[in-house]
Amino acid sequence: GDSVTQMEGPVTLSEEAFLTINCTYTATGYPSLFWYVQYPGEGLQLLLKATKADDKGSNKGFEATYRKETTSFHLEKGSVQVSDSAVYFCALRAGFGNEKLTFGTGTRLTIIP
Amino acid sequence: GAVVSQHPSWVICKSGTSVKIECRSLDFQATTMFWYRQFPKQSLMLMATSNEGSKATYEQGVEKDKFLINHASLTLSTLTVTSAHPEDSSFYICSARDDWANVLTFGAGSRLTVL
Repeated sequence: GDSVTQMEGPVTLSEEAFLTINCTYTATGYPSLFWYVQYPGEGLQLLLKATKADDKGSNKGFEATYRKETTSFHLEKGSVQVSDSAVYFCALRAGFGNEKLTFGTGTRLTIIP
Repeated sequence: GAVVSQHPSWVICKSGTSVKIECRSLDFQATTMFWYRQFPKQSLMLMATSNEGSKATYEQGVEKDKFLINHASLTLSTLTVTSAHPEDSSFYICSARDDWANVLTFGAGSRLTVL
């Protein structure tokens, strides 16, 4: 079945550091890939997405590229801020018309000033 | 933006009792809502898809008689954990899909602790 493997946390970085959170997936067909972010006390919010190979999703300085050859969708940000502290979830949705999301375990990110 | 409210945000109950969790879309209609469960350090697992006016679709391995889902209106779905036991303690999260915008919005989750 479909699965998402995500870098285990927690991750602690200093402000302005470079961030990478690794995510790899297993799926049949051509899934869409997502990164969700959950701030304390709030629901998951869509951060970015990519629907086909080589697509790059970007938002709020974060970006991730859909790499079919390595089945990866790593999240990156060049310079993190304290406000980026949250839990990040990688997810996939298998195929057009399939609404089911398969999530990774989530990575807790803490940015220290 | 779209908001999904979950209530209660946390609940503690005794073993053998039933607990109801509400998922409400505040400013949009949602024919379809989803219920997830998350154990510590594990991923969100889809439990069921809730459809307004019809029976929920449960994922394999989820007991439908244990986790009752009712979606009686376009803005409200409820999850009732019946005869709760300590192993039902978990974080339950719902999401709702906006019928018009086709956008998925998540609630903040409900933490259930069964003593």
